[in-house]
This record gives sequence, structure tokens and C-alpha cells, in this order.
Amino acid sequence: NAGVTQTPKFRILKIGQSMTLQCTQDMNHNYMYWYRQDPGMGLKLIYYSVGAGITDKGEVPNGYNVSRSTTEDFPLRLELAAPSQTSVYFCASSYRQGLSYEQYFGPGTRLTVT
Amino acid sequence: AQRVTQPEKLLSVFKGAPVELKCNYSYSGSPELFWYVQYSRQRLQLLLRHISRESIKGFTADLNKGETSFHLKKPFAQEEDSAMYYCAPTNTGNQFYFGTGTSLTVIP
Repeated sequence: NAGVTQTPKFRILKIGQSMTLQCTQDMNHNYMYWYRQDPGMGLKLIYYSVGAGITDKGEVPNGYNVSRSTTEDFPLRLELAAPSQTSVYFCASSYRQGLSYEQYFGPGTRLTVT
Repeated sequence: AQRVTQPEKLLSVFKGAPVELKCNYSYSGSPELFWYVQYSRQRLQLLLRHISRESIKGFTADLNKGETSFHLKKPFAQEEDSAMYYCAPTNTGNQFYFGTGTSLTVIP
């Protein structure tokens, strides 16, 4: 049981390039999330999904796109990379457990845009 | 707007001393509150949740609705408690708002 996996671990992009950050979970969780964490800051929610085919914006969605064609995968797309998108990106998933929703996190992807 | 404040970026205590990591929140409705922890070279993981009223690794957290606080406490800090701690309320279960985190160092 691998949990939440993310690829790549590190990436350097030039301004204007595009890329997809991959996220896969093998726990059959319905909920999946993408966060970014800037230095010295907390995690900010980019997008989330409550199930296959359903996505919604979080706190900081501009410059990103997501899709959720399967329960397992939740890729995050950067179309035109900008220096402001330099950050560490975390994917997470959760299941419903009563009234609480524990999130399981991936190891993160460190992205630098220069 | 939802807001989570962890006023201490860095906190150092001696081994065996009590530790308290502060969290204040500004939320509409009645949020559920969580503490997450990230140990060195490990993933972010759940430490405890308010609704469970649990004590994990000796840590407890009391929700004070009047002060809108959810401080994390442990009576006797251990070296293995050194980590980054995040307070994370949610009001729907769909969106979590993480604080900026407190880096705890327990000095031997």
C-alpha cells in the first residue's frame, strides 16, 4: 500500500513552460487535494475533488488546472509557468470518517520557475 | 474570511519541560480542528483531531470556543517531538486552512 505518491520530486521550469504534476493514491479515497507551500507560509489549497469527474477551486487556483478522470489520479497542470509558482506542492487524499476527514499527504514536489 | 494564526514560528523547550503550541482561528460556523505534524524527512501526517478527544504521543488539544483557540499541549517534551506542527481547521470537511506552522525544537 503506497498511499499517496507524487512525481516528480523536483523540477526546474523556465518561465512560460508547462508541466503536469502527477498524484496517485491507492486507498480508494474519494477526496483529493492539491496544496502549495511557499517558504515560511502555511499550506494553501489550490484545487480539490470530492470524486471522479468533480473538481472545485480552492484558495489559490489561478494559473493551475486539474482533472479527475479516475478515483486514483488527480494531476495538477501548470500551463504557463511563472516565478510566483515556485513552491512545494503537496497532494493529499482523504476518506469520510464520521465528522472528521483525516488527510493523507504525498511527499511533495519542489518546483522552481526561473 | 477564514483565518488560522500560529503566532510562534519557532519554539524551543528543554526535554522534560511542558510545551504549548498556540493556534487561534477565525471561522464561520463550528469548525472541526486538527493538528498535523511533519517530522524531519517525513510526510505531513495527522497528529490529532478535536472531535476524537484523544491524546496522541502525550499531546492533547483543547478547543476554547470563547477564545477561538485550539492550543496543543504536552506536559513533558521529548526529543522526538521536534518537528513542524500545523493547526488546520475545516468547516465542511472539503477545505482545510493550514496555519503557517510552528517549528518545535526540544533541547536535550
